[in-house]
Amino acid sequence: EDKVVQSPLSLVVHEGDTVTLNCSYEVTNFRSLLWYKQEKKAPTFLFMLTSSGIEKKSGRLSSILDKKELFSILNITATQTGDSAVYLCAVADNYGQNFVFGPGTRLSVLP
Amino acid sequence: EAGVAQSPRYKIIEKRQSVAFWCNPISGHATLYWYQQILGQGPKLLIQFQNNGVVDDSQLPKDRFSAERLKGVDSTLKIQPAKLEDSAVYLCASSLGQGLFFGPGTRLTVL
Repeated sequence: EDKVVQSPLSLVVHEGDTVTLNCSYEVTNFRSLLWYKQEKKAPTFLFMLTSSGIEKKSGRLSSILDKKELFSILNITATQTGDSAVYLCAVADNYGQNFVFGPGTRLSVLP
Repeated sequence: EAGVAQSPRYKIIEKRQSVAFWCNPISGHATLYWYQQILGQGPKLLIQFQNNGVVDDSQLPKDRFSAERLKGVDSTLKIQPAKLEDSAVYLCASSLGQGLFFGPGTRLTVL
């Protein structure tokens, strides 16, 4: 059975800190890994990763995939209170049409 | 480009009552998904459509849940009768093969 594990499940930091969120997976026929940010509403798309070792970056957020070790990390530098959210990791298999989600990491950024 | 639309946004019912949710995906997206997200957990797939055909409904509790996508565009998800454990956010998402885009969700509370 396909499985996605995220760690930590919960994290509290102060503004300005740098955080690293982890996602490991076991999936048949891996196609891509996606990161989402979820505040008090639906998940919003952050990154899609398909190739190992290529960092994707958007502002203070960056992510990288290791297909050999079956994990990805999401880094957030200089955190702000607006970064407080649940960060979800999902993997897609079978031509990118089947998505399995992890439980999420709840990040709280204190002022 | 309009996003995924869902209605209603909130619904409160008593156990054993029926409820229906509606979703209109992003125009041109052939694949439509219904996810159930219980508080503190990641989204769990209920059913996946490709156009108007069901691709995966293995995790749909078919004794009480049903879904249809008759014309291959919008979709409805029904619960009849509802149980207390159905309290969750029901997320509709659509895809064109790259990534997954979510609607705002329907928050269901069963009393």
